[in-house]
Amino acid sequence: QVQLVQSGAEVKKPGASVKVSCKASGYTFTSYGISWVRQAPGQGLEWMGWISAYNGNTNYAQKLQGRVTMTTDTSTSTAYMELRSLRSDDTAVYYCARVRTVTTSLGYWGQGTLVTVSS
Amino acid sequence: QSVLTQPPSVSGAPGQRVTISCTGSSSNIGAGYDVHWYQQLPGTAPKLLIYGNSNRPSGVPDRFSGSKSGTSASLAITGLQAEDEADYYCQSYDSSLSEGVFGGGTKLTVL
Repeated sequence: QVQLVQSGAEVKKPGASVKVSCKASGYTFTSYGISWVRQAPGQGLEWMGWISAYNGNTNYAQKLQGRVTMTTDTSTSTAYMELRSLRSDDTAVYYCARVRTVTTSLGYWGQGTLVTVSS
Repeated sequence: QSVLTQPPSVSGAPGQRVTISCTGSSSNIGAGYDVHWYQQLPGTAPKLLIYGNSNRPSGVPDRFSGSKSGTSASLAITGLQAEDEADYYCQSYDSSLSEGVFGGGTKLTVL
């Protein structure tokens, strides 16, 4: 069965960076992409970006351009999302999800990773 | 302000039918991009409910249905059950922004 298992909760100070991992299993990793979505406390879902696990192509939300980098390691079927220059409003639960392409549905989701940014 | 507009809340009694609208524009839904719907129960990750405007993944009851017309889409839930109480989100792609977009979410209350 398809599973996406994310790394554990993080607490970071403003200005720091965080790197969240998402380990995939149960399917051919390079046949799909990974999207990242975040949800601030009590708020809605925010699309962050997408990466193709086939060729590494990326598509980032304009709001996060320059601060976010998404990568994959095909040898371990793991996707990563790094967010730099953290601010308090980056505090959120971060989700990875399996997708076919940047326009298709997010079919399977990870359990979420809480990132707290606080001084 | 979300690119896709949903009502903040809807409610209905058990057994009733409710609909949730998702209004976009000519650069997303109106441009022909598919609309997908997600259900998020409290404290859990979102779950895909409808993909490609009107398709249900296996395991999703046929009480849930989706449709799309012009620059809008709708999610209908018939035979409301207490377990349907959740937040619902629509999602599509926007060609002007070149990024995926979500609606602001709709909280469904089963009375």
